[in-house]
Amino acid sequence: QKEVEQNSGPLSVPEGAIASLNCTYSDRGSQSFFWYRQYSGKSPELIMFIYSNGDKEDGRFTAQLNKASQYVSLLIRDSQPSDSATYLCAASTGANNLFFGTGTRLTVIP
Amino acid sequence: SAVISQKPSRDICQRGTSLTIQCQVDSQVTMMFWYRQQPGQSLTLIATANQGSEATYESGFVIDKFPISRPNLTFSTLTVSNMSPEDSSIYLCSVRGTGFNSPLHFGNGTRLTVT
Repeated sequence: QKEVEQNSGPLSVPEGAIASLNCTYSDRGSQSFFWYRQYSGKSPELIMFIYSNGDKEDGRFTAQLNKASQYVSLLIRDSQPSDSATYLCAASTGANNLFFGTGTRLTVIP
Repeated sequence: SAVISQKPSRDICQRGTSLTIQCQVDSQVTMMFWYRQQPGQSLTLIATANQGSEATYESGFVIDKFPISRPNLTFSTLTVSNMSPEDSSIYLCSVRGTGFNSPLHFGNGTRLTVT
């Protein structure tokens, strides 16, 4: 069974701090991993994806992948109140559908 | 990325009725995916819609309850049949590019409330 696990939170960080969101997956056949942000009442929007071990940076966001530990994380630097949302981790074993975690709710406190 | 238009954006329906959700993409795509997001939950795949063949349903979802059409490479519909309050959810149409590292892109979703 393909499972993606996330801490549901809520995670609260002060404005300007680093928010760290974590995700583990059970299927070692997973090849690519995605982070989505979902504001309340809206559909998920892609933040970034990663498929190689190590770090991938895009602006204030850094995704980290450790396939040996089956662990994916997302760091948000200089957190802003506008980053307050639910963050969904997803994994894919191929070119078909993605399997989503339950999401972590992040609140950035001004 | 593809632009995905989904309608209606929201609806309130009576128990026992059916609702058809439409999804239009601005480019041709092979596969379209229908997800459900129940209140406070994550996304669950209902089915994959391929043009020219029957949809492939995930465990727990059946064609009689969620019939899907895929008449061409840019359009699909999902019908929620014989609705009950447990069907109250957000229904999301999505598409994915080719390649294992292609992300899913979502429409704006249909927020369904069944009374």
